[in-house]
Amino acid sequence: DTGVSQNPRHKITKRGQNVTFRCDPISEHNRLYWYRQTLGQGPEFLTYFQNEAQLEKSRLLSDRFSAERPKGSFSTLEIQRTEQGDSAMYLCASSSPGPANEKLFFGSGTQLSVL
Amino acid sequence: AQRVTQPEKLLSVFKGAPVELKCNYSYSGSPELFWYVQYSRQRLQLLLRHISRESIKGFTADLNKGETSFHLKKPFAQEEDSAMYYCALSGRNFNKFYFGSGTKLNVKP
Repeated sequence: DTGVSQNPRHKITKRGQNVTFRCDPISEHNRLYWYRQTLGQGPEFLTYFQNEAQLEKSRLLSDRFSAERPKGSFSTLEIQRTEQGDSAMYLCASSSPGPANEKLFFGSGTQLSVL
Repeated sequence: AQRVTQPEKLLSVFKGAPVELKCNYSYSGSPELFWYVQYSRQRLQLLLRHISRESIKGFTADLNKGETSFHLKKPFAQEEDSAMYYCALSGRNFNKFYFGSGTKLNVKP
């Protein structure tokens, strides 16, 4: 499968613990996005990278959330001191440079449950 | 403020009937509009985009700037169209996409 890959698929953690998710975009894609989706809602924008530069970050993203894309390839999203309200599906998407860069390719997501 | 509104959570139609999924938006500027679809147990994927003015799987969507709408239409629904549909918008730089809350389309046999 050469699509966007996210790991793990599921994560159960206790409140207060730190968690880290990984996203591997399609190899030639330089744009990478993180979204969060809760039940009954659409994807909510968290942050955007172009290559290794984090160019957009949602004001909804608290200081407990941090994302990196160190070499412009894979990306990680870390949530520190998790809270029950962080329980959601975390989606990663990527898009290519060039004329089709508006088409997002989504991963299957990481489902986070905070107990 | 940027916002995408999909007023219907669920839309049920019979096979062969016309279908229209509503989408209204607010955006300070000239937005680019999209429809994404998620079939059961599959990833979210692009269905169509306003930029290309295309028809995919018989679906079309017209951007009405006066009414700030981008409704998705299909003249004859098929059972395989049953899925979750999300309207989305972005600015011209595609740095950020805003999604609506989605409409579940159920096409009955």
